[in-house]
Amino acid sequence: EVVLVESGGGAVQPGRSLRLSCSVSGFTFGDYALSWFRQAPGKGLEWVGFIRSKVYGGTTEYAASVKGRVTISRDDSESIAYLEMNSLKSEDTAVYYCGRVVGNDYVVDYWGQGALVTISS
Amino acid sequence: SYVLTQPPSVSVAPGQTARFTCAGNGIGSKSVQWYQQKPGQAPVLVIFHENDRPSGIPERFSGSTSGNTATLTISRVEAGDEADYYCQVWDSRGDNFWVFGGGTKLTVL
Repeated sequence: EVVLVESGGGAVQPGRSLRLSCSVSGFTFGDYALSWFRQAPGKGLEWVGFIRSKVYGGTTEYAASVKGRVTISRDDSESIAYLEMNSLKSEDTAVYYCGRVVGNDYVVDYWGQGALVTISS
Repeated sequence: SYVLTQPPSVSVAPGQTARFTCAGNGIGSKSVQWYQQKPGQAPVLVIFHENDRPSGIPERFSGSTSGNTATLTISRVEAGDEADYYCQVWDSRGDNFWVFGGGTKLTVL
């Protein structure tokens, strides 16, 4: 069974940093790209960034709204991906999801349950 | 950047057919996905590649595209289908690779 589990969410003060983890099981993590998304309270889905598999260089891409403040990395030996965010703002308050990416058109076929990040002083 | 437009809400009675539209320039040339999201839960992929269903998704769910509009159709709607539905495309030429519509809330009367 494919499972993704986010962790590391919580309340953070503006300007601080946070690292979320996405632990996966049920598939060979190293064979897949992984993407991060977020959903602000009462709002729709927004893409944050993704990391390709090592076969495709393990390179990353980021949404314009977070570029420069976000770093995505992966540890294939531990089947974990990370999302590091710095200089957090109130508008970063959201539920953050990780998702497994499949195919050449980058379909996200499985999602984690989400981790709530609240930015507040 | 690429934009997908969805109506905010759709209401249907149980047993009827619900249709969700997703408008985007040239959407017929893109791979369209649809996600179902129930309150407090993660999104679930219900349609990919315009009209393919992942295993476990009922045949009542189908997709199509015509012109600049993609459509998700749910036949014989059930109370358990009540959720938000998001369309999504992959756009490697824009600032945001994964583009989502604003979502449509399905209310089962």
